[in-house]
Amino acid sequence: DTAVSQTPKYLVTQMGNDKSIKCEQNLGHDTMYWYKQDSKKFLKIMFSYNNKELIINETVPNRFSPKSPDKAHLNLHINSLELGDSAVYFCASSQNGLFGGELFFGEGSRLTVL
Amino acid sequence: TQLLEQSPQFLSIQEGENLTVYCNSSSVFSSLQWYRQEPGEGPVLLVTVVTGGEVKKLKRLTFQFGDARKDSSLHITAAQPGDTGLYLCAGGETSGSRLTFGEGTQLTVNP
Repeated sequence: DTAVSQTPKYLVTQMGNDKSIKCEQNLGHDTMYWYKQDSKKFLKIMFSYNNKELIINETVPNRFSPKSPDKAHLNLHINSLELGDSAVYFCASSQNGLFGGELFFGEGSRLTVL
Repeated sequence: TQLLEQSPQFLSIQEGENLTVYCNSSSVFSSLQWYRQEPGEGPVLLVTVVTGGEVKKLKRLTFQFGDARKDSSLHITAAQPGDTGLYLCAGGETSGSRLTFGEGTQLTVNP
């Protein structure tokens, strides 16, 4: 039974398209995150939600819009995809993100923009 | 945002050798975590250290948090091919709101 699951695992699309990645956690955690891992394996936080409320919004282009319908789900929608958006996107959750607790990651969604 | 520098970036060694990975910052962190990531998967937590000077052992892995809580090290004794992976340190910022990740160390242990 997967703790943090995200779909799709692979996404190949053309520049200018819009795409979404979904994430669900069944751990009962309060906080969920989206991280971007670039080709050099650097993990950078994009967004964090605590009980459906946005608490971290890094300097991410407005084309990226997270949505949390409930505390178990955090989806990421990307408009007008660009080549530089190609990366692996990880969803994660933690019990109490406000105190830097352990992160549980999904398997990642590899986005390739052509 | 507080920054973490990890070194070395790449490490390729033979089975049975010892190695140390370093994680350094000019900032103080409330806690320091180490994760390991294997290809096609997300990072998985190995350990959390919270007290300056703290040492934790996990089988052949020894983790240390610096006295000033600005740096940490991971030492692996008698490395095995199963230790191969990307090792990431992550610092809990003193504001309490986030974890900052280091750039990662890609370890390859050759049989």
